[in-house]
Amino acid sequence: QVQLQESGPGLVKPSQTLSLTCTVSGASISRAGYYWSWIRQRAGKGLEWIGRFYTGGTSDYNPSLKSRVTISLDTSKNQCTLRMSSVTATDTAVYYCARGRQLDPYFDYWGHGTLVTVSS
Amino acid sequence: DIVMTQSPDSLAVSLGERATINCKSSQTVFSTSSNKNYLAWYQQKPGQPPKLLIYWASTRESGVPDRFSGSGSGTDFTLSISSLQAEDVAVYYCQQYESTPWTFGQGTKVEIK
Repeated sequence: QVQLQESGPGLVKPSQTLSLTCTVSGASISRAGYYWSWIRQRAGKGLEWIGRFYTGGTSDYNPSLKSRVTISLDTSKNQCTLRMSSVTATDTAVYYCARGRQLDPYFDYWGHGTLVTVSS
Repeated sequence: DIVMTQSPDSLAVSLGERATINCKSSQTVFSTSSNKNYLAWYQQKPGQPPKLLIYWASTRESGVPDRFSGSGSGTDFTLSISSLQAEDVAVYYCQQYESTPWTFGQGTKVEIK
């Protein structure tokens, strides 16, 4: 059974860089044909796709966040990492990692999410 | 970006009755090359992540009860719950994956009347 678990600091100061890790179990993060996405949900709001990293080595991001976001894979640890720079209070949200496949791009597995609060 | 608009924002349905949620995309999510609609539905219960219900607009995910069904093509889609159960109380989201940035509808909250 594939499981995803997000982790990282629950509190980040404004202007700093948010860094979250998604640890995958039950599947190899480097398996060809898969991608790993980050999605966030602000309180009382809907879902916003942040970006994805393909196991083929490419990535793409939501243009609204592209200038501040980097997603990468650490295959030795079976982890996917999200880094978001210059955060503000509007980045306060629950952050999810999710898996999809190149030929079936919908999100079939999700982590439980981690709440990140941006506040001084 | 493709804008996904759901209606209604919320609905209350009696147990055992049908619930219908609509989702409209600002441009088609149908791919002529694959002959598929790039549209998924998710269910989110409080404190939980979204759960995949339907993909390719009408294919039910393994383990999802058959009272859930998806239909539609192009820009107009529907999620139906044929006989609402207490455990179906949740927020439902549609999502297009035809082109990035992938986008979600604003969600529809389903409650018991």
